[in-house]
Amino acid sequence: AQSVSQHNHHVILSEAASLELGCNYSYGGTVNLFWYVQYPGQHLQLLLKYFSGDPLVKGIKGFEAEFIKSKFSFNLRKPSVQWSDTAEYFCAVSGFQKLVFGTGTRLLVSP
Amino acid sequence: DSGVTQTPKHLITATGQRVTLRCSPRSGDLSVYWYQQSLDQGLQFLIQYYNGEERAKGNILERFSAQQFPDLHSELNLSSLELGDSALYFCASSVGQGDYTFGSGTRLTVV
Repeated sequence: AQSVSQHNHHVILSEAASLELGCNYSYGGTVNLFWYVQYPGQHLQLLLKYFSGDPLVKGIKGFEAEFIKSKFSFNLRKPSVQWSDTAEYFCAVSGFQKLVFGTGTRLLVSP
Repeated sequence: DSGVTQTPKHLITATGQRVTLRCSPRSGDLSVYWYQQSLDQGLQFLIQYYNGEERAKGNILERFSAQQFPDLHSELNLSSLELGDSALYFCASSVGQGDYTFGSGTRLTVV
């Protein structure tokens, strides 16, 4: 069965700091990997996704993620966060028939 | 607007009652997925329908059921409601694996 682990539950950063959120997955077959963001009171929005090809994926709002197959990881990065990045971030893996989410990381960016 | 429409946005009901949540998928999407988001359980996959047929089942209680109609909209029925069923219920749709779009959710409060 698919599973996703996000190790950081809460992260607090100052504006302009760099961000890296960890994500590890477990699945025996070919996977598609995703990062979603949920701003307070809003629905999930896709930041980026990896299906195949270049393991370094660029998404919206300056986010990127690197797929490292040997480590079963898909970490999210942003060189310089802004106050508006305050949100909850979810890593997800799509295997057979369904999308499975990690527990989420709440990011608070202080101005 | 993501293209996935969920109604109602908010629902308050008493324990023991039954409610129906509705989801209209994005135009052209054949798959509908239901998720429950609560503080203690995170984002849990409930069930998936594809073109009217159940395709995958997750952590869905026996008190809950769903269906997808010929016009592709889906309904999630929650019965014998308990306080612990209070959560945000999301619907997502996709045309295939890897292109999931989420609705704004229905916030259910059971009192």
